[in-house]
Amino acid sequence: DGGITQSPKYLFRKEGQNVTLSCEQNLNHDAMYWYRQDPGQGLRLIYYSQIVNDFQKGDIAEGYSVSREKKESFPLTVTSAQKNPTAFYLCASSIDRGPQHFGDGTRLSIL
Amino acid sequence: AQTVTQSQPEMSVQEAETVTLSCTYDTSESDYYLFWYKQPPSRQMILVIRQEAYKQQNATENRFSVNFQKAAKSFSLKISDSQLGDAAMYFCAYYQTGNQFYFGTGTSLTVIP
Repeated sequence: DGGITQSPKYLFRKEGQNVTLSCEQNLNHDAMYWYRQDPGQGLRLIYYSQIVNDFQKGDIAEGYSVSREKKESFPLTVTSAQKNPTAFYLCASSIDRGPQHFGDGTRLSIL
Repeated sequence: AQTVTQSQPEMSVQEAETVTLSCTYDTSESDYYLFWYKQPPSRQMILVIRQEAYKQQNATENRFSVNFQKAAKSFSLKISDSQLGDAAMYFCAYYQTGNQFYFGTGTSLTVIP
């Protein structure tokens, strides 16, 4: 079945450490997105990419980086510059005019 | 940037009754798409219903229907015969081709047995 796979499900980060969240899709979607969700809050856009080798900053890109070397993959790196990384991270993909399909999320915590 | 407003942070409904969740949006465009997503405690985002702005007919999916008022920029979700499994956070979203998705802040729905 087609879908979006996020890994790992849970991730712990030490102070000063960079961590990378994986997002893979086999839906052949052009666009991919990363969102951050804090407890009881809505979705905030970190980065999005509408085509391979191109991406745009969202509302809260500081302290995060992404790459889009393959259509299927859109990894998110949470850098040490992100001082409050504890949150739930959701990856999504879509085709033009279509709804977003979401992965199951990654919960990131500070050790 | 477009804005999507959900003015009801929390709503409750008796099981088997009907509830309506509100959503308004701001846009100067005429061609766009609107969605309602459900996020249960598992935190999975589930598409509930979609509406194309060029279609005048309101979308319906089983017990879920929308009231799309294009001139008023309003897109409310009606849940009929509410079930315990409908308890979740509901997000309204706006999308225009070639752009990002814009989400509201969500409405937490409680279903009372």
